[in-house]
Amino acid sequence: KQEVTQIPAALSVPEGENLVLNCSFTDSAIYNLQWFRQDPGKGLTSLLLIQSSQREQTSGRLNASLDKSSGRSTLYIAASQPGDSATYLCAVQNQAGTALIFGKGTTLSVSS
Amino acid sequence: ETGVTQTPRHLVMGMTNKKSLKCEQHLGHNAMYWYKQSAKKPLELMFVYNFKEQTENNSVPSRFSPECPNSSHLFLHLHTLQPEDSALYLCASSQDPLADTQYFGPGTRLTVL
Repeated sequence: KQEVTQIPAALSVPEGENLVLNCSFTDSAIYNLQWFRQDPGKGLTSLLLIQSSQREQTSGRLNASLDKSSGRSTLYIAASQPGDSATYLCAVQNQAGTALIFGKGTTLSVSS
Repeated sequence: ETGVTQTPRHLVMGMTNKKSLKCEQHLGHNAMYWYKQSAKKPLELMFVYNFKEQTENNSVPSRFSPECPNSSHLFLHLHTLQPEDSALYLCASSQDPLADTQYFGPGTRLTVL
């Protein structure tokens, strides 16, 4: 059974720092991996989707990497801003047409 | 504002009440989903609809009854719920079922007394 773990559960950094959020999964036979952002009391916003054949994806200050063989993904946030404060969720899809398996998330707080 | 809207945003109900959650997507997508997000637990998929047909039921109790009258609307009918059903219920949509980026609504915060 696929399990997704995110470390740390919470992270506080000062504005301007570069930071890394970690995601690990137990079954390396995945179809894709996605990173989402969730603001308090709101729904999820998709940030990056990495197909199993890809190693990384970039969007603005965000870079997500995927090492399928070791069951790990990282989300790198450059030059963090207070507006980046949110919960970041990692999810994997085992194969096309199956449910996303989510981690519990990392709650990020960026202070000005 | 996303292309997926949910009403109501907050709902408090007793265990004997019957209520419905509504989701509408304005993105022209074919697939719609209900998720449950409980405190301290990962997000869990409940139901998947593709072209109005239910394609996945993730062992959800029968007190939750989904309805998808068309590709743009999705309902979750609730009856005789338990306090442990209190959670944030999120709706999402995507162009293709599950193998595509999903767009989420803001959620309905449900409290069962």
